[in-house]
Amino acid sequence: NAGVTQTPKFRVLKTGQSMTLLCAQDMNHEYMYWYRQDPGMGLRLIHYSVGEGTTAKGEVPDGYNVSRLKKQNFLLGLESAAPSQTSVYFCASSPLAGGRTDTQYFGPGTRLTVL
Amino acid sequence: SQQGEEDPQALSIQEGENATMNCSYKTSINNLQWYRQNSGRGLVHLILIRSNEREKHSGRLRVTLDTSKKSSSLLITASRAADTASYFCATVRRDTGNQFYFGTGTSLTVIP
Repeated sequence: NAGVTQTPKFRVLKTGQSMTLLCAQDMNHEYMYWYRQDPGMGLRLIHYSVGEGTTAKGEVPDGYNVSRLKKQNFLLGLESAAPSQTSVYFCASSPLAGGRTDTQYFGPGTRLTVL
Repeated sequence: SQQGEEDPQALSIQEGENATMNCSYKTSINNLQWYRQNSGRGLVHLILIRSNEREKHSGRLRVTLDTSKKSSSLLITASRAADTASYFCATVRRDTGNQFYFGTGTSLTVIP
C-alpha cells in the first residue's frame, strides 16, 4: 500500500494563478482532510470530507475549494493564489471506527510558495 | 483558534534521558492523540487515549490524560537521537466528532 500520496511535492505560483493539489489514498478510508501548516501555528484544517461526494469547511476555508468525486481522491483548489497561502499543505485520511473518526494517516506534504 | 497548546515549545535533552511534554486543550473531547513529525515530513500517529482512559503505554511512550484539568502529557523514556522531531497533540472534540484539532507542537532535540 502506498498510503496517502500528494501531488505535487513542490510548487511556486505567482499571485493570481490557480492550481489544484491532489491527494490520493489506497486504504479505503471514509474521511479525508486538507490542512495547512505554518511556522508556530501547528496544523489548521482547511476543508474535510466525510465521504464520496461530500465536503465541509474547516477552520480556515477562505480562498480554497475542494472536491471528492471519488472516495480515494480529495482535491484542493486555489482559484486565485495569494502570498498568504504560502504554506505547507498536508492531506490526511482516517477510517470510520465505531461511528467515530480515529487515527489520521498523513501524506508527505506539498510545499507551496506564492510570489 | 487552536484547541491544543503544547508545553514546552522546545526541549533539548541528552540521549538516554526522559522527555516529557504537555498538552492543554479547551473543550470536551472524545479522544486525544499524539503525533510525531520529522523535519520535512508528514505527521505519524503515535498513540491514542480515549476520554474514559487515564493512562496508556506503547513501548517507550506513556500518555496520561486528566479530563478535569483538560490536559495530557507524553513521556518518552530512554530517549534516542532518532526521537528528535516535533510532537503534536490532537483532540477530537465531542461537539465536532469528525474533526481533529492540533496544537502548536513541541520541538524535541535529543543530543547523542
